[in-house]
Amino acid sequence: GENVEQHPSTLSVQEGDSAVIKCTYSDSASNYFPWYKQELGKRPQLIIDIRSNVGEKKDQRIAVTLNKTAKHFSLHITETQPEDSAVYFCAALIIQGAQKLVFGQGTRLTINP
Amino acid sequence: DAGVIQSPRHEVTEMGQEVTLRCKPISGHNSLFWYRQTMMRGLELLIYFNNNVPIDDSGMPEDRFSAKMPNASFSTLKIQPSEPRDSAVYFCASSLWSGGQFFGPGTRLTVL
Repeated sequence: GENVEQHPSTLSVQEGDSAVIKCTYSDSASNYFPWYKQELGKRPQLIIDIRSNVGEKKDQRIAVTLNKTAKHFSLHITETQPEDSAVYFCAALIIQGAQKLVFGQGTRLTINP
Repeated sequence: DAGVIQSPRHEVTEMGQEVTLRCKPISGHNSLFWYRQTMMRGLELLIYFNNNVPIDDSGMPEDRFSAKMPNASFSTLKIQPSEPRDSAVYFCASSLWSGGQFFGPGTRLTVL
């Protein structure tokens, strides 16, 4: 079945610096890759997503890149702020039959003031 | 848009009791997912429905767990009998075909 690997598991950066989280997936048929942010005690929230027909998507300080050949995608956060501290999950959509997301293990991002 | 609604938000019960968690998906969404989240195992998909039909329940841990979706606007996840190891946060999420999933606020379950 589909497997999504996410790295690193923890990441600590200085406020104002950039943060990068990487994921790899195994099913070459996957065509949709969302990213979720989960703050402590809250629900996972969709922050950005990308489909396989594009290589990059940007929304203000957040960007996601996709390399379908290598089967990996990344989340980039620039000019990090303390409120970016959270756990981030990547996911890949399985399209065999009905559709479901397979999530990575999560990255705990800490922004140091 | 009220988003995905879950109830109760918190549940504390004793081992052996029946627990029922409820979910109302976003109106118009045709897929509904039940997840369990713990520190040890992370976010686990338990079961999901498309157009009210259960598609994949391979994540349901054992027969003590059951889920239903009698109509497009309501689903339940039942645990009977409950055990302390069932303590976790249970999330419900909904989506349209090939779209992102939107999560409810979760139910924090504690089984004593």
